[in-house]
Amino acid sequence: AQKVTQAQTEISVVEKEDVTLDCVYETRDTTYYLFWYKQPPSGELVFLIRRNSFDEQNEISGRYSWNFQKSTSSFNFTITASQVVDSAVYFCALSENQGGSEKLVFGKGTKLTVNP
Amino acid sequence: GAVVSQHPSRVICKSGTSVKIECRSLDFQATTMFWYRQFPKQSLMLMATSNEGSKATYEQGVEKDKFLINHASLTLSTLTVTSAHPEDSSFYICSARHPGQYTYNEQFFGPGTRLTVL
Repeated sequence: AQKVTQAQTEISVVEKEDVTLDCVYETRDTTYYLFWYKQPPSGELVFLIRRNSFDEQNEISGRYSWNFQKSTSSFNFTITASQVVDSAVYFCALSENQGGSEKLVFGKGTKLTVNP
Repeated sequence: GAVVSQHPSRVICKSGTSVKIECRSLDFQATTMFWYRQFPKQSLMLMATSNEGSKATYEQGVEKDKFLINHASLTLSTLTVTSAHPEDSSFYICSARHPGQYTYNEQFFGPGTRLTVL
């Protein structure tokens, strides 16, 4: 069965610090997709990235970067020079394909608090 | 980009009443929509997959008769919480599957509906 583990329940940093959010997944599928979403206090999910299982290249987008390592089944997310606006709950998710209908399995989330 | 709306954004109701939540894909047609529930400080849990023109597929442990899903058109799915009780109070989020250009059909999420049952 597919499973996503975000071991860090809460992280608190001071502004400008770098922070890494961990995500470990389990799947039997050879083709799958991994995601990161941000959920600010308003509740709306904000899509950050999608990565397919065949693309292990790390990605950088501004202050955000992602490290995908199939060997350790991890898809970690790093925020460089964190800002107060980065405070939110971050979810890692895995897409499983059952009968052609992709279902998303979410981790429990990591609450990030960036203090000024 | 693809936009999904939900209505209402917030609803408070008395125990025993039914509440309907709408999920609309505004600029694309979605044959499949998903309904998630999120309790405070918890993760999103998939409740059901809604397919246009057919019955919804419910996840294990989700009561079909309590959470009625109707996907009558390619842009609208509704979730009705029947005879709501305080334990049904939660944040309900829908997503719509976009028939994308590539093999992966991405899901776009609505802003959520916060249900409070008194």
